[in-house]
Amino acid sequence: EDKVVQSPLSLVVHEGDTVTLNCSYEVTNFRSLLWYKQEKKAPTFLFMLTSSGIEKKSGRLSSILDKKELFSILNITATQTGDSAVYLCAVLYGGSQGNLIFGKGTKLSVKP
Amino acid sequence: NAGVTQTPKFQVLKTGQSMTLQCAQDMNHEYMSWYRQDPGMGLRLIHYSVGAGITDQGEVPNGYNVSRSTTEDFPLRLLSAAPSQTSVYFCASSYSSGSEQYFGPGTRLTVT
Repeated sequence: EDKVVQSPLSLVVHEGDTVTLNCSYEVTNFRSLLWYKQEKKAPTFLFMLTSSGIEKKSGRLSSILDKKELFSILNITATQTGDSAVYLCAVLYGGSQGNLIFGKGTKLSVKP
Repeated sequence: NAGVTQTPKFQVLKTGQSMTLQCAQDMNHEYMSWYRQDPGMGLRLIHYSVGAGITDQGEVPNGYNVSRSTTEDFPLRLLSAAPSQTSVYFCASSYSSGSEQYFGPGTRLTVT
């Protein structure tokens, strides 16, 4: 059965800390891995990773994919209270369908 | 662009009632999908469409119908609401089946 597993499920840090969120997957017909941020409403898109070893970066956030070991990490440096959210990992799979299977998310709380 | 829009934002139904959740996008996206989000379960795919006139079932399709008569609209119909359908429903769209999906603001549905 296809699955996406995120760890930890929740995390509490202080402003300025660096955090690493993990996502492992076992999905047939893997196409890409995506990261989303959800703050009490709709998930917003962060990154899409298709190739191993190529880091994607946006400000203080970065992510990388390892297709051999079947995992991805999302790093957030110099965390701010505005980073508090649930971070979702999803795998895009299938041929023409292109459907997403989601992990359960990591809830990040950043304290001042 | 308004992006992905959903109506209503909130809805309360009695068991056995039917209703339609509306979803529209103005980005000329081919792929559209419906997810439900439940505590501890993550986002799960209900139905999806790879283009006008083409729909298919996702992971949890029972009790729901969809149609895609235009590129822009992808309504989700609850045929006979049950308390198990209490959830937050998200519609999403993407340019193609292989690209990142963008989510609407969600509909919080309660079935009593």
